[in-house]
Amino acid sequence: NAGVTQTPKFQVLKTGQSMTLQCAQDMNHEYMSWYRQDPGMGLRLIHYSVGAGITDQGEVPNGYNVSRSTTEDFPLRLLSAAPSQTSVYFCASTGEREFYSNQPQHFGDGTRLSIL
Amino acid sequence: GEDVEQSLFLSVREGDSSVINCTYTDSSSTYLYWYKQEPGAGLQLLTYIFSNMDMKQDQRLTVLLNKKDKHLSLRIADTQTGDSAIYFCAESGSGGGADGLTFGKGTHLIIQP
Repeated sequence: NAGVTQTPKFQVLKTGQSMTLQCAQDMNHEYMSWYRQDPGMGLRLIHYSVGAGITDQGEVPNGYNVSRSTTEDFPLRLLSAAPSQTSVYFCASTGEREFYSNQPQHFGDGTRLSIL
Repeated sequence: GEDVEQSLFLSVREGDSSVINCTYTDSSSTYLYWYKQEPGAGLQLLTYIFSNMDMKQDQRLTVLLNKKDKHLSLRIADTQTGDSAIYFCAESGSGGGADGLTFGKGTHLIIQP
């Protein structure tokens, strides 16, 4: 059981390049979300999805697009990378049956992204 | 929007108890979490508490929840050097976390020998 898998683990981009950060979960979770983590800022919600075909904005959505064509995958797209998007990105998933389990939220290991 | 506040730093002596505090604004939050992050690593769930509980104990960890004051604390007994990390408080909102969590900025726990 792989849990939440994020790829790549590290990436360096030039300003203006586009990129997709991948997130996949194999637990049939309905709910998935993307966060960015910056020094001294904690984790901030970018976008989330409550099911296939349904996405919504979080606290810091500007500069990012998402889609949820399948239950398993929730990619995050940077259409034109900017240095301000240098950050560590975390994907998370959860489901109704997880709410009373000992692991209510499952996080990936993160993608470290640098924009030059 | 909803907010979660934590002190940025806490310094304790090895062997003492550490108490990390957190306040939140969303009174409808279903779950409140404590996560640990070591340098360069991801997030590790330490413990969480349902909003209808006021205390939860798990080995060296004790979570206290004062729902009236919207105050959450994490006590680590017999603090060890391996406890040195950033500790994040997070709340789920009324949706239980289906629409994401709101995190505090994290408390850096520094262990003095």
